[in-house]
Amino acid sequence: KNEVEQSPQNLTAQEGEFITINCSYSVGISALHWLQQHPGGGIVSLFMLSSGKKKHGRLIATINIQEKHSSLHITASHPRDSAVYICAALDNTDKLIFGTGTRLQVFP
Amino acid sequence: GAGVSQSPRYKVAKRGQDVALRCDPISGHVSLFWYQQALGQGPEFLTYFQNEAQLDKSGLPSDRFFAERPEGSVSTLKIQRTQQEDSAVYLCASTPRGRGHFTDTQYFGPGTRLTVL
Repeated sequence: KNEVEQSPQNLTAQEGEFITINCSYSVGISALHWLQQHPGGGIVSLFMLSSGKKKHGRLIATINIQEKHSSLHITASHPRDSAVYICAALDNTDKLIFGTGTRLQVFP
Repeated sequence: GAGVSQSPRYKVAKRGQDVALRCDPISGHVSLFWYQQALGQGPEFLTYFQNEAQLDKSGLPSDRFFAERPEGSVSTLKIQRTQQEDSAVYLCASTPRGRGHFTDTQYFGPGTRLTVL
């Protein structure tokens, strides 16, 4: 069992739909990152969370420390949101442990 | 205001060849990380530098892998006697501060895609 698990692995949506990607982790963490990876490899950091909720534009990230669970939501999805979304847990040895990613495709 | 750059972007090597992958972090960034990302997987930690000091190399898969950052800026990841299982994207990331501040945003380079034939 991976220490950081994401679901679903693949997600297809119509433009405008509300999207949720889930991340569960089994290790103790000091923070959790949500990252976006476009084809060609480039990774961009979206959020760093240690508690509660953060919002940036149409993106919302939440974390429940007790349940060891985080979600990334995208409101009013758009084709340009198509990418791989990765959660990464910063464990108590200061290492980032990455999930395998959720591949999102948003169709017009 | 350049970001993290990596070169080459693509490398094809014959099994047994040595390769060297370069990372130029954002100027002034203290921390530098190397990750390996196999196809369809998330990145996995390889090694960490704080300035020129390699503080953690626990993720290097074998003694064929070697990394250095001699002047605390540019880093090179060297793989000797490459094997097919080394085929992956090698990502470099940097952050402004050192250990104890790893909640800082990591700035990733575009990666080097290594294919070993």
